[in-house]
Amino acid sequence: QSVLTQPPSVSGAPGQRVTISCTGSSSNIGAGYDVHWYQQLPGTAPKLLIYGNSNRPSGVPDRFSGSKSGTSASLAITGLQAEDEADYYCQSYDSSLSAQREVFGGGTKLTVL
Amino acid sequence: QVQLQESGPGLVKPSETLSLTCAVSGYSISSGYYWGWIRQPPGKGLEWIGSIYHSGSTYYNPSLKSRVTISVDTSKNQFSLKLSSVTAADTAVYYCARGEGYSSSWFDYWGQGTLVTVSS
Repeated sequence: QSVLTQPPSVSGAPGQRVTISCTGSSSNIGAGYDVHWYQQLPGTAPKLLIYGNSNRPSGVPDRFSGSKSGTSASLAITGLQAEDEADYYCQSYDSSLSAQREVFGGGTKLTVL
Repeated sequence: QVQLQESGPGLVKPSETLSLTCAVSGYSISSGYYWGWIRQPPGKGLEWIGSIYHSGSTYYNPSLKSRVTISVDTSKNQFSLKLSSVTAADTAVYYCARGEGYSSSWFDYWGQGTLVTVSS
């Protein structure tokens, strides 16, 4: 069971907008720790998509955006394209006593219909 | 362009020690950043194992801390992972990555990953 909760799957048609949620608690996202997002295409290493809640690394299209509020964060993808079909992971830090660590969400599989 | 490449045995026997090395090119480890190991069991999600700063200070996932050692060799521009007393549950693709920051470090460059299978 992941400390950060993501929906197992989301889907959308080409051109549509989808969002992926990442729900945490007062010991991680709610404590003010930043959230980052990764895209993992089949058979490849994860790729950094969003860092520091809402910042895009160079080369990431502005169709991808991130936000954070309270104990949750979200990744939004607009103008959905077939190449966006992948697994998406959120990541943050958990400060629980005796269990402080970097943590990932369980991952969300995005299907482009 | 920063590149990372994992290397090590693809098969490890139960109860033995898993050893992997990550060679870094395009950036000098001694210049900064954290350097981490993340793993992914087949068909499952990502798990952070631990990270090391260029100075040698480390922080580990508490669930693995008793079995993990991460070290850095700045002369060879590489860092290493040792995981002792492995079981089948340690079978996974192991990634090395560069981390920015501490406590909610984001990983901007990743190796391609190497599959390690624990089996007799």
